[in-house]
Amino acid sequence: GNSVTQMEGPVTLSEEAFLTINCTYTATGYPSLFWYVQYPGEGLQLLLKATKADDKGSNKGFEATYRKETTSFHLEKGSVQVSDSAVYFCARISGSARQLTFGSGTQLTVLP
Amino acid sequence: DVKVTQSSRYLVKRTGEKVFLECVQDMDHENMFWYRQDPGLGLRLIYFSYDVKMKEKGDIPEGYSVSREKKERFSLILESASTNQTSMYLCASSSRGTQRTGELFFGEGSRLTVL
Repeated sequence: GNSVTQMEGPVTLSEEAFLTINCTYTATGYPSLFWYVQYPGEGLQLLLKATKADDKGSNKGFEATYRKETTSFHLEKGSVQVSDSAVYFCARISGSARQLTFGSGTQLTVLP
Repeated sequence: DVKVTQSSRYLVKRTGEKVFLECVQDMDHENMFWYRQDPGLGLRLIYFSYDVKMKEKGDIPEGYSVSREKKERFSLILESASTNQTSMYLCASSSRGTQRTGELFFGEGSRLTVL
């Protein structure tokens, strides 16, 4: 079936450190892939997305590249800020399904 | 600014009580969803609706029901609350045009505790 496996947290980094949160997906069909972010006390919001192989999604300094050969969509940021502290969710949707499948979420804490 | 509003941020109920969680969106979206969020499990889809008066079961519908009498409102009902339904409940909506693009708009969540 459709599933998403995400790096377990929590992840704690110092400000300006490099961030990678790993995400892999099951290779059923040709899914679109997403990263959602949930800031403290808020609902989820779309951070970035990629709809086909080799696409790179980017937003707010975050990037993720759709890698078909490794079925991965890892989230990266070159220099994190305290304000990036949040829970990050990887997700997928396939052409036949109409619902998102989410990973388990990764809690990121950035220390000043 | 687009908005999905969940009526209660925090609720405390007793086992066996009937619980209503209300969600309203002001974006004229056709699609609405109810998820529950639990640590280590991510978001799991309970029910969804693509139109007024229609509903479809998600991955974990047992113990829940829903109602969609108006386009803007989607209610989640726990007929007889149990302690294992203690969780964060998230409502989301999307337009038919983005149905296959995965862009959902979420409410802030309702944290339910069942004693």
